[in-house]
Order: sequence, then structure tokens, then C-alpha cells
Amino acid sequence: ETGVTQTPRHLVMGMTNKKSLKCEQHLGHNAMYWYKQSAKKPLELMFVYSLEERVENNSVPSRFSPECPNSSHLFLHLHTLQPEDSALYLCASSQVWQGEQFFGPGTRLTVL
Amino acid sequence: SQQGEEDPQALSIQEGENATMNCSYKTSINNLQWYRQNSGRGLVHLILIRSNEREKHSGRLRVTLDTSKKSSSLLITASRAADTASYFCATVSYGNNRLAFGKGNQVVVIP
Repeated sequence: ETGVTQTPRHLVMGMTNKKSLKCEQHLGHNAMYWYKQSAKKPLELMFVYSLEERVENNSVPSRFSPECPNSSHLFLHLHTLQPEDSALYLCASSQVWQGEQFFGPGTRLTVL
Repeated sequence: SQQGEEDPQALSIQEGENATMNCSYKTSINNLQWYRQNSGRGLVHLILIRSNEREKHSGRLRVTLDTSKKSSSLLITASRAADTASYFCATVSYGNNRLAFGKGNQVVVIP
């Protein structure tokens, strides 16, 4: 888990709240990812940023809004979420094209 | 997109025994990776095997890849209680850097 940090580690929010998840990588990588992990489902890739440009958005609802201000930071802005959005949100980084990804510890999100 | 699918889904073994997990996939790949996840935490990369490799070792881990059968296996030898975790395989196709994950194997090592 060293190298990629995520805050907060736990978040409880109501359906009308607005919150943001933060990810920071200290590995000098140039690609960053958001994943959603729900119980009994494979990890779902949500967004990919490569060289600070969004290169993939896997049909994620607009209530999730990513932001990548530089190659070391990645945010996931949340608004008007639904209870089914409760999950573990994982951030990862890598050197583009080299395959191996380094994951943060995740943010456990609960939507009431 | 393709997904690795691990088999078996859950495995319970005694400390010191070997644990074997299998993964199958559906399309051509550039490489296949195995990750470990302790409960509610982030994933940790264990090993990467490229499509032109058949076997790879890392400490107590041994990974095989059979591209003709589109399958891979992960062997953990002399298991320890600390090996208790979920293990995921993930594939990377040619031309992209996206990991497609399987559902994972839960491994419990009983001291």
C-alpha cells in the first residue's frame, strides 16, 4: 500500500451530500485509475487517466465526476449518490503500457 | 471486455500445505497478473507473466500460463496464516493498459 494513498479511508454520506475522494501517488507514474469493488462482483474499472487526460469512462453515471489536476493527484467527486453506490473505491497508478498497477488502500463508502 | 475467472472460489487449507488456484480467460492477452487483497484493503501485485512465458517463480509463488488453453494457475507453497487473503487474476490485452479482473479466490490458511 505504500506509494499510493487515499483519503478518506471511510466515508458515510447521505444521498443529497457532495463529497470528494482523493488519491495521491508518489511513484512517478503517468497513469491513474479509479475502480469500484462491490461485494461478490469483479473489480469494475471506472475511469482511466493517462498523462493527465481522461482516456476511458466505462459508462459511469454522471453523479461520479473524476478530476486529475496533475500526474500525482486524482479525485473522484460524488454528488446525489444512491445506496447501491456503497462500495470500496480503489485508486491505482502505473507507468503506461507496463501493466503492473499499484493500488491504494481504498475508501469504504457507505451511502445512506 | 474479457475477465479472468478464478477457480475454485474459496479454499481452506492447513498451514504448511500448498494452495493452487486457476484462472481462465477468453481472448488473446499481452500478460496476466495475480494480485492479493487482504480484507477490505487495497490490492497488492504479486506476479506478472507475459504471453510468451510459460512459468514464473517469485519466492513461494509459482505461476503457469497456458495460452492454448487460455488458463493460468497460481501455486502458493508452504502456506502461512499470513497468506489468508483474496487472490485475483487480471489480464491485459494487446494495445491497452487495462486490467480485467476475475471475481477472486478466498484463501483461508488455518494455523
